[in-house]
Formats: sequence, structure tokens, C-alpha cells
Amino acid sequence: QVQVQESGPGLVKASQTLSLTCTVSGGSISSGSFYWSWIRQPAGKGLEWIGRIYSRGGTNYNPSLKTRVTMSVDASKSQFSLKLTSVTAADTAVYYCARLPTVAQAYYGMDVWGQGTTVTVSS
Amino acid sequence: EIVLTQSPGTLSLSPGESATLSCRASQSVNSAYLAWYQQRPGQAPRLLIYGPSGRATGIPDRFSGSGSGTDFTLTISSLEPEDFAVYYCQQYGNSPWTFGQGTKVEI
Repeated sequence: QVQVQESGPGLVKASQTLSLTCTVSGGSISSGSFYWSWIRQPAGKGLEWIGRIYSRGGTNYNPSLKTRVTMSVDASKSQFSLKLTSVTAADTAVYYCARLPTVAQAYYGMDVWGQGTTVTVSS
Repeated sequence: EIVLTQSPGTLSLSPGESATLSCRASQSVNSAYLAWYQQRPGQAPRLLIYGPSGRATGIPDRFSGSGSGTDFTLTISSLEPEDFAVYYCQQYGNSPWTFGQGTKVEI
């Protein structure tokens, strides 16, 4: 059974770069057709999709964050990562990684989620 | 960007009652790319329904989804105590993928 787990610093200073890693276990990150996404949720608020990276390459970012976001995959470690530059207090949130399977243009929803990691941006 | 508007914001019901949650899109969504998630306090979201009526693995059949175009519905027949949570719809047919703001189902 595939599981994903977020990791990274819980505290980041304003104007610096937030870096998070999502480790995939129980399966290969690069086999099959999956979109691997980052989603965030400020305390008491809703979900915001940050972006996705395809298991076979290619990224797509939310335009609202596009200038500050970079995602990448390290297949050798079965990990994918998120970098968000120039953070402010508005980037304080729980950050989730999640998987969305796709087969022949059919998408099956985000079926595997990590437990989330809380990131606080301090001044 | 496709904006998803969920209603009502809060639904107050009792165990055993049925719940009908609405998700309305600002423009037409391919129904194959619409999903519903449940989020309990302190937990990650959990996939309930995809595409828009397929049930995810392990999801009981009291959860059902329907809809097309701009109007989608999640129905929970006979609420169980564990169903009291926040529910989100999501579209992933157009970039950026977007979520509704959520409907809280409370006792």
C-alpha cells in the first residue's frame, strides 16, 4: 500500500525559502502514471492546490504562486520536493503532498495523502 | 480559473438523517474530473468520490455523487457519527486545479 510522508522545517523566516520533501513508500514514484501534488491549508481555512509534477516529468503550478514555486522529483530516493521562495506570513499553513492516478486520460482523484506538516513563517 | 462554490456552508443534522451537499462551478467542468473529499478535524483529506460518481476504495455506499456541467452533488444517506466532518469538492480538469471552500456537516 502506497504511503506518502511530508518532511521539512516547521519554522521558516520571512523572505527565505520554504523547502519540503514528500517521501513515497510502498511503491515507486516513477512507475505508473501519477500526478504528485502539493496542497496547503492555513489554519481554519480551506485547501489550496500549489502545483503538481508528473511521474514521467512535467510540472504545472498554480498561477497565484507560479513565480515562487519549484517542484522536482528524485526517483532514486522516491521523493518529490517543493520549494517556495520569498515566504511571508501568508504562507503559514499545513502542507500536504498527495497522489492522483491517471490512466488514459482518466483521473481518479487524490487517493493518497500525507498526514501534513505545519510550516510557520516567522518575522 | 474555475471557482467552485459549495453550499450550504454548514449543515446541521442528526445521525440517521441524509445530507445533500452542493458544488457549483463558475464554468462547465468535465464530470470525469470532479472529486469529493472528507476532512475530519486534525486529519488529512480523504478521497470519497471521483469522476463524479465513482466511490474510492473502502468508501461505504451511503456516499454517492452525481452531477454534470456546473452543478454537482454529494449525498450521504443515513449519517453515521463519523460522517460529521468538512467536505470539499475539487475539479482537476482545468489548471489550476481548484477546491471549493468546504461544507461543514455538524450535529
